[in-house]
Amino acid sequence: RKEVEQDPGPFNVPEGATVAFNCTYSNSASQSFFWYRQDCRKEPKLLMSVYSSGNEDGRFTAQLNRASQYISLLIRDSKLSDSATYLCVVISGAGSYQLTFGKGTKLSVIP
Amino acid sequence: NAGVTQTPKFQVLKTGQSMTLQCAQDMNHEYMSWYRQDPGMGLRLIHYSVGAGITDQGEVPNGYNVSRSTTEDFPLRLLSAAPSQTSVYFCASSPFGRNNEQFFGPGTRLTVL
Repeated sequence: RKEVEQDPGPFNVPEGATVAFNCTYSNSASQSFFWYRQDCRKEPKLLMSVYSSGNEDGRFTAQLNRASQYISLLIRDSKLSDSATYLCVVISGAGSYQLTFGKGTKLSVIP
Repeated sequence: NAGVTQTPKFQVLKTGQSMTLQCAQDMNHEYMSWYRQDPGMGLRLIHYSVGAGITDQGEVPNGYNVSRSTTEDFPLRLLSAAPSQTSVYFCASSPFGRNNEQFFGPGTRLTVL
Protein backbone atom coordinates (compact mmCIF):
# COMPACT_ATOMS: atom_id res chain seq x y z
CA ARG A 1 0.00 0.00 0.00
CA LYS A 2 1.39 3.39 -0.97
CA GLU A 3 1.98 5.90 1.82
CA VAL A 4 -0.48 8.48 0.57
CA GLU A 5 -3.17 7.63 -1.95
CA GLN A 6 -5.59 9.85 -3.81
CA ASP A 7 -8.14 9.31 -6.53
CA PRO A 8 -6.41 10.89 -9.55
CA GLY A 9 -9.68 12.00 -11.14
CA PRO A 10 -10.25 14.00 -13.17
CA PHE A 11 -13.30 15.36 -11.45
CA ASN A 12 -15.31 17.42 -13.93
CA VAL A 13 -17.99 19.43 -12.14
CA PRO A 14 -20.25 22.35 -13.11
CA GLU A 15 -19.87 25.74 -11.52
CA GLY A 16 -21.67 25.92 -8.20
CA ALA A 17 -21.35 22.22 -7.48
CA THR A 18 -20.00 20.70 -4.30
CA VAL A 19 -17.11 18.29 -4.72
CA ALA A 20 -15.21 16.16 -2.22
CA PHE A 21 -11.80 14.55 -2.40
CA ASN A 22 -10.50 11.82 -0.14
CA CYS A 23 -6.97 10.84 0.67
CA THR A 24 -5.78 7.79 2.63
CA TYR A 25 -2.46 7.41 4.40
CA SER A 26 -0.76 4.24 5.56
CA ASN A 27 1.39 5.39 8.49
CA SER A 28 -0.71 5.51 11.64
CA ALA A 29 2.02 7.61 13.30
CA SER A 30 1.46 10.47 10.85
CA GLN A 31 1.29 13.76 12.68
CA SER A 32 0.44 16.56 10.28
CA PHE A 33 -1.81 16.80 7.26
CA PHE A 34 -2.24 19.38 4.53
CA TRP A 35 -3.92 20.11 1.25
CA TYR A 36 -1.86 21.86 -1.40
CA ARG A 37 -3.10 23.24 -4.67
CA GLN A 38 -1.10 23.10 -7.89
CA ASP A 39 -2.13 24.96 -11.00
CA CYS A 40 -1.05 23.67 -14.39
CA ARG A 41 2.70 24.07 -14.88
CA LYS A 42 3.05 25.97 -11.60
CA GLU A 43 4.47 25.21 -8.18
CA PRO A 44 2.35 23.73 -5.35
CA LYS A 45 0.96 26.18 -2.82
CA LEU A 46 -0.52 25.49 0.59
CA LEU A 47 -4.32 25.52 0.52
CA MET A 48 -4.96 24.59 4.12
CA SER A 49 -3.76 22.54 7.02
CA VAL A 50 -6.00 19.78 8.35
CA TYR A 51 -6.71 19.76 12.06
CA SER A 52 -8.07 16.91 14.14
CA SER A 53 -11.34 18.70 14.84
CA GLY A 54 -11.82 19.64 11.19
CA ASN A 55 -11.45 23.14 9.86
CA GLU A 56 -13.05 25.48 7.39
CA ASP A 57 -11.73 28.31 5.26
CA GLY A 58 -14.47 29.97 3.28
CA ARG A 59 -15.81 27.45 0.78
CA PHE A 60 -13.22 24.84 1.75
CA THR A 61 -13.62 22.31 4.56
CA ALA A 62 -10.95 19.83 5.58
CA GLN A 63 -11.50 16.86 7.85
CA LEU A 64 -9.31 14.20 9.41
CA ASN A 65 -10.37 10.70 10.41
CA ARG A 66 -7.47 9.15 12.32
CA ALA A 67 -9.27 5.87 12.98
CA SER A 68 -9.75 5.22 9.29
CA GLN A 69 -6.57 7.07 8.30
CA TYR A 70 -8.02 9.41 5.76
CA ILE A 71 -8.41 13.10 5.21
CA SER A 72 -10.93 14.86 3.04
CA LEU A 73 -11.39 18.18 1.29
CA LEU A 74 -14.82 19.56 0.50
CA ILE A 75 -15.26 22.46 -1.91
CA ARG A 76 -18.64 24.15 -1.93
CA ASP A 77 -20.02 26.43 -4.65
CA SER A 78 -17.19 25.55 -7.08
CA LYS A 79 -15.71 28.38 -9.12
CA LEU A 80 -13.90 28.20 -12.43
CA SER A 81 -10.81 29.38 -10.59
CA ASP A 82 -10.89 26.24 -8.42
CA SER A 83 -9.73 24.20 -11.41
CA ALA A 84 -6.37 22.76 -10.36
CA THR A 85 -4.76 19.64 -9.00
CA TYR A 86 -5.20 19.13 -5.25
CA LEU A 87 -2.35 17.40 -3.44
CA CYS A 88 -2.76 15.55 -0.18
CA VAL A 89 0.35 15.89 2.00
CA VAL A 90 1.31 14.02 5.15
CA ILE A 91 4.15 14.42 7.62
CA SER A 92 4.95 11.27 9.55
CA GLY A 93 6.62 11.19 12.91
CA ALA A 94 7.17 13.76 15.60
CA GLY A 95 9.90 16.22 14.75
CA SER A 96 9.91 15.18 11.11
CA TYR A 97 9.83 17.80 8.40
CA GLN A 98 9.69 15.41 5.51
CA LEU A 99 6.52 15.68 3.50
CA THR A 100 4.98 12.79 1.60
CA PHE A 101 2.82 13.89 -1.30
CA GLY A 102 -0.07 12.09 -2.87
CA LYS A 103 -0.15 12.06 -6.64
CA GLY A 104 -2.94 14.62 -6.70
CA THR A 105 -6.55 14.83 -7.77
CA LYS A 106 -7.33 16.93 -10.82
CA LEU A 107 -10.41 19.13 -10.67
CA SER A 108 -11.96 20.85 -13.67
CA VAL A 109 -14.85 23.22 -13.00
CA ILE A 110 -16.94 23.63 -16.12
CA PRO A 111 -19.02 26.72 -16.97
CA ASN B 1 10.85 39.41 -0.51
CA ALA B 2 11.49 37.42 -3.67
CA GLY B 3 10.59 34.19 -1.84
CA VAL B 4 12.13 31.07 -3.37
CA THR B 5 13.89 31.54 -6.70
CA GLN B 6 15.17 28.86 -9.04
CA THR B 7 17.39 29.05 -12.09
CA PRO B 8 17.31 28.11 -14.85
CA LYS B 9 13.62 27.79 -15.72
CA PHE B 10 14.35 25.38 -18.57
CA GLN B 11 17.37 23.27 -19.43
CA VAL B 12 18.23 20.65 -22.03
CA LEU B 13 21.21 18.39 -21.37
CA LYS B 14 22.85 15.55 -23.18
CA THR B 15 23.38 12.24 -21.42
CA GLY B 16 26.51 12.38 -19.31
CA GLN B 17 26.64 16.14 -18.89
CA SER B 18 26.67 17.65 -15.44
CA MET B 19 24.96 20.79 -14.23
CA THR B 20 23.79 22.60 -11.14
CA LEU B 21 20.25 23.75 -10.48
CA GLN B 22 20.25 26.86 -8.34
CA CYS B 23 17.85 27.59 -5.50
CA ALA B 24 17.82 30.59 -3.21
CA GLN B 25 15.45 31.95 -0.60
CA ASP B 26 15.44 35.29 1.19
CA MET B 27 13.09 34.39 4.05
CA ASN B 28 15.80 33.09 6.41
CA HIS B 29 14.21 29.64 6.42
CA GLU B 30 16.20 26.87 8.05
CA TYR B 31 14.65 23.98 6.14
CA MET B 32 15.17 23.57 2.40
CA SER B 33 14.48 20.67 0.11
CA TRP B 34 14.51 19.48 -3.48
CA TYR B 35 11.71 17.52 -5.14
CA ARG B 36 11.20 16.07 -8.56
CA GLN B 37 7.78 15.76 -10.13
CA ASP B 38 7.08 13.23 -12.83
CA PRO B 39 3.75 12.48 -14.53
CA GLY B 40 1.78 9.97 -12.49
CA MET B 41 4.38 9.92 -9.70
CA GLY B 42 3.67 12.97 -7.60
CA LEU B 43 6.44 14.93 -5.91
CA ARG B 44 9.31 12.89 -4.55
CA LEU B 45 11.92 14.19 -2.13
CA ILE B 46 15.51 14.11 -3.43
CA HIS B 47 17.57 15.80 -0.68
CA TYR B 48 16.87 18.13 2.17
CA SER B 49 18.69 20.36 4.63
CA VAL B 50 17.75 21.46 8.14
CA GLY B 51 20.33 24.24 8.22
CA ALA B 52 23.64 25.47 6.85
CA GLY B 53 26.17 22.65 6.72
CA ILE B 54 23.57 19.90 7.23
CA THR B 55 22.08 17.84 4.42
CA ASP B 56 20.43 14.45 4.16
CA GLN B 57 18.97 12.13 1.56
CA GLY B 58 15.34 11.87 0.70
CA GLU B 59 13.46 9.19 -1.20
CA VAL B 60 15.30 9.40 -4.55
CA PRO B 61 18.85 10.75 -3.96
CA ASN B 62 20.82 8.69 -6.49
CA GLY B 63 22.52 10.76 -9.16
CA TYR B 64 22.21 14.02 -7.24
CA ASN B 65 24.40 15.92 -4.80
CA VAL B 66 23.61 18.90 -2.62
CA SER B 67 25.43 21.27 -0.32
CA ARG B 68 24.27 24.00 2.03
CA SER B 69 27.05 26.47 2.71
CA THR B 70 24.68 29.33 3.53
CA THR B 71 21.15 29.60 4.86
CA GLU B 72 20.01 31.20 1.60
CA ASP B 73 21.33 28.80 -1.06
CA PHE B 74 20.72 25.11 -1.70
CA PRO B 75 22.06 24.05 -5.12
CA LEU B 76 21.30 20.64 -6.62
CA ARG B 77 24.01 19.04 -8.74
CA LEU B 78 23.43 16.41 -11.38
CA LEU B 79 26.67 14.49 -11.63
CA SER B 80 26.16 12.70 -14.96
CA ALA B 81 22.75 13.36 -16.44
CA ALA B 82 20.60 10.44 -17.57
CA PRO B 83 17.30 10.44 -19.50
CA SER B 84 15.61 9.12 -16.33
CA GLN B 85 16.36 12.49 -14.73
CA THR B 86 14.08 14.28 -17.17
CA SER B 87 11.62 15.90 -14.82
CA VAL B 88 10.40 19.10 -13.23
CA TYR B 89 12.48 20.04 -10.20
CA PHE B 90 11.07 22.09 -7.36
CA CYS B 91 13.00 23.64 -4.52
CA ALA B 92 11.12 24.44 -1.32
CA SER B 93 11.87 26.15 1.97
CA SER B 94 10.14 26.25 5.31
CA PRO B 95 10.64 27.94 8.66
CA PHE B 96 10.61 25.61 11.61
CA GLY B 97 7.67 26.07 13.92
CA ARG B 98 5.25 27.51 11.37
CA ASN B 99 3.15 24.46 10.85
CA ASN B 100 5.60 23.27 8.22
CA GLU B 101 4.17 25.33 5.35
CA GLN B 102 6.47 24.74 2.42
CA PHE B 103 7.17 27.62 0.05
CA PHE B 104 8.03 26.34 -3.42
CA GLY B 105 10.06 27.92 -6.14
CA PRO B 106 8.66 28.11 -9.70
CA GLY B 107 10.48 24.97 -10.82
CA THR B 108 13.11 23.98 -13.37
CA ARG B 109 12.03 21.88 -16.35
CA LEU B 110 14.92 19.61 -17.27
CA THR B 111 15.14 17.42 -20.35
CA VAL B 112 18.00 14.95 -20.76
CA LEU B 113 18.47 13.64 -24.28
